[in-house]
Amino acid sequence: DAKTTQPPSMDCAEGRAANLPCNHSTISGNEYVYWYRQIHSQGPQYIIHGLKNNETNEMASLIITEDRKSSTLILPHATLRDTAVYYCIVSWSGGYQKVTFGIGTKLQVIP
Amino acid sequence: DTAVSQTPKYLVTQMGNDKSIKCEQNLGHDTMYWYKQDSKKFLKIMFSYNNKELIINETVPNRFSPKSPDKAHLNLHINSLELGDSAVYFCASSQGQLSSYEQYFGPGTRLTVT
Repeated sequence: DAKTTQPPSMDCAEGRAANLPCNHSTISGNEYVYWYRQIHSQGPQYIIHGLKNNETNEMASLIITEDRKSSTLILPHATLRDTAVYYCIVSWSGGYQKVTFGIGTKLQVIP
Repeated sequence: DTAVSQTPKYLVTQMGNDKSIKCEQNLGHDTMYWYKQDSKKFLKIMFSYNNKELIINETVPNRFSPKSPDKAHLNLHINSLELGDSAVYFCASSQGQLSSYEQYFGPGTRLTVT
């Protein structure tokens, strides 16, 4: 019952920007967009989150469309260590956090 | 220093046994979670505790009983293990219970029930 849609897989050349799209057309006004990733056999790792505005941190940038129905996670210079499954999640801000992970996008960074 | 740690990393046991998985976080967070990741890689929340109080219980069989002795620890006890309990179990923590806080995950415990 994930509220997001992501492509199942993507490839990216090492050193290039990886742009991972996510559709969340039913998002409500008080829901955050979160991105996590899971490198093989490890626990999920938080990347970034946002509500309305674009966000940037040391790992990535998050671009949210004006209507908030979709977003893009940008890894500016992908490395082989960025190969992972990337999860886009929406989570209600008004109460207890209950993160629901979907299938995610398997990003393969190619040398 | 490990932020969120779990023990054991691997657990192999037979059907019908009772087992526990331990989780500790040294981040000073007051909210902790248990997730289950099945063979299809779906990651689903099971429980959430805030300051030792249960706040989320996601229709998990009552064979699963979380226990939080203090806000830095959240253990998971499983009675009468079944084949379908085989999965990777992740513990996580966050600064608060609201969605404005990111979650930090442990390395996971791979449970195999034979």
